[in-house]
Amino acid sequence: QLQLQESGPGLVRPSETLSLTCTVSGGSISNSNYNWGWVRQPPVKGLEWIGSIYYTGTTYYNSSLKSRVSISLDTSKNHFSLRLSSVTAADTAVYYCARDDLLTGLIDYWGQGTLVTVSS
Amino acid sequence: QLVLTQSPSASASLGASVKLTCSLSSGHRSNAIAWHQKQPEKGPRFLMKLNTDGSHNKGDGIPDRFSGSSSGAERYLTISSLQSEDEADYYCQTWGTGIRVFGGGSKLTVL
Repeated sequence: QLQLQESGPGLVRPSETLSLTCTVSGGSISNSNYNWGWVRQPPVKGLEWIGSIYYTGTTYYNSSLKSRVSISLDTSKNHFSLRLSSVTAADTAVYYCARDDLLTGLIDYWGQGTLVTVSS
Repeated sequence: QLVLTQSPSASASLGASVKLTCSLSSGHRSNAIAWHQKQPEKGPRFLMKLNTDGSHNKGDGIPDRFSGSSSGAERYLTISSLQSEDEADYYCQTWGTGIRVFGGGSKLTVL
């Protein structure tokens, strides 16, 4: 059974960089059939796609966040990571990692999520 | 522009059925979508992939009470024999070139 688990600091100071890692078990991030990505949900708001990465390193980002986002992967550790720079209180959210199908772009597995609060 | 539109809320009685709607924007009527369930304090759960012709593939362990259908630009999620644990937010999701898009979500209340 595929499992995704987010990890990283729960508190980030304004203007600093948010960094999270998603560790995948029960499957390989080198699988050519899937992308690996991040989604967030701010308090009392809906889901927002942040970006995705393919095992070759090809990335896709939400245009509204593109200038601040970087997603990378480490196939040797079977994990992928999110960096979001220059954070503000508006970046406070539960961050989820997810897998989506290469051909359809549809998410079919999710992590449990991790809350990141931006505050001084 | 690729947009998914969902009604903000829906309600139905315990044991009844409810049909949630996700509308695809013009120019994207043939897109497949996914339905996801978001219960409070839990991560989202993939329910199913739903195609233009109404065929659907459900995620692991998703009960038969959950089904999908399509008509034109509309994609539907029907939940029958409603249970208290079905009270949740439901999101549809689709994709375009290099992007993934979510609907605004529908909050389902089980009365």
